[in-house]
Amino acid sequence: SQQGEEDPQALSIQEGENATMNCSYKTSINNLQWYRQNSGRGLVHLILIRSNEREKHSGRLRVTLDTSKKSSSLLITASRAADTASYFCATSNTGKLIFGQGTTLQVKP
Amino acid sequence: NAGVTQTPKFQVLKTGQSMTLQCAQDMNHNSMYWYRQDPGMGLRLIYYSASEGTTDKGEVPNGYNVSRLNKREFSLRLESAAPSQTSVYFCASERGAETQYFGPGTRLLVL
Repeated sequence: SQQGEEDPQALSIQEGENATMNCSYKTSINNLQWYRQNSGRGLVHLILIRSNEREKHSGRLRVTLDTSKKSSSLLITASRAADTASYFCATSNTGKLIFGQGTTLQVKP
Repeated sequence: NAGVTQTPKFQVLKTGQSMTLQCAQDMNHNSMYWYRQDPGMGLRLIYYSASEGTTDKGEVPNGYNVSRLNKREFSLRLESAAPSQTSVYFCASERGAETQYFGPGTRLLVL
């Protein structure tokens, strides 16, 4: 069963705009992670936020976590065409990761 | 470092045939995982191995077997392939119960 549900399923923006994608989950977690998948490739880890953290930054990425609402958001600022990919949230509780269905982001040049 | 490697990259099977998907990592990670990815379904865990010599079922283990041959290698076997096993299979290894590193995937088509 899927733990995380992502919203929107698909997002199309212009280069330079910001992209926000959301993830909701059902049970308590130790951490929440975001991964990127380029078409036809494996997943690449982007950022991890622990359950006792509320916000984390990495370059153009900003992740927030609201454990009371069981939700997280990933913000990509000043998007580039190279950011076109699918983005997955994954929650960890028992050591195994449970992935959401992903958000497909298209950044138009 | 090659990271996580998978072979083959693509395979076509007929229903009832068997095959083994190979995975190897050179990062000295203890934990390794097999996932399948279907359109609109995200990744689902098939089997995992927390350490050499141990394996455990994930969310969708039926129709699969695994072997943790040594610390580096974790193979996935389909004994009698079915069309429902048409999917993209990813192997991953894990550092410190947090970040997972994924291989490039094996695309399997079962006719």
